[in-house]
Amino acid sequence: QVQLVESGGGVVQPGRSLRLSCAASGFTFRSYAMHWIRQAPGKGLEWVAVISYDGSHIYYADSVKGRFTISRDNSKNTMYLQMSTLGADDTAVYFCAREIYGDYGFDHWGQGTLVTVSS
Amino acid sequence: QSALTQPASVSGSPGQSIAISCTGTSSDVGGYNYVSWYQQHPGKAPKLMIYDVSNRPSGVSDRFSGSKSGNTASLTISGLQAEDEADYYCSSYTSSSTRVFGGGTKLTVL
Repeated sequence: QVQLVESGGGVVQPGRSLRLSCAASGFTFRSYAMHWIRQAPGKGLEWVAVISYDGSHIYYADSVKGRFTISRDNSKNTMYLQMSTLGADDTAVYFCAREIYGDYGFDHWGQGTLVTVSS
Repeated sequence: QSALTQPASVSGSPGQSIAISCTGTSSDVGGYNYVSWYQQHPGKAPKLMIYDVSNRPSGVSDRFSGSKSGNTASLTISGLQAEDEADYYCSSYTSSSTRVFGGGTKLTVL
């Protein structure tokens, strides 16, 4: 079955960096576009970034553009989110999600990893 | 990249039908048939309920249906059940190739 497992969250000081990972299994990872989506405590979902199946197309939300970098290693079935210059507004649970094959929408989600930006 | 507009809350009694609206612009909801809906129970990951405006993934109850008119999409839940109580989010593809979510709607089953 499809599994997405996020890791790398934790407490980080403002202005510092952190890298999240999303390990995929149960499907042909290299065939699917993947997303990062976050949810601040008690708030709604916010789309963060997408990377195409081969990494050739990448798009970001304005709120993270220039600070976050999405990447993937298809040989390791893993997607990453490098986050820099973190601020309090980046505090959230970060979910990775798989895009529906050949379509739009997120058909499988991980359980999320919590990132807390605090001094 | 403004969030899509959803009502903060809706409610209904068991067996009734409710609808949740999701309003965007011609650059997102109105421009593409790529609206999807998600159900999220507290402390859980979201679950895909509807994609491409009105398509249901396998395993999702046919009590859930979607539609769109102009810049507004809607999720309708018929025959409300206690287990439907959750937060619901819409999402759309955008003209910038990004995605955008609605602010979320809390459904209360009375």
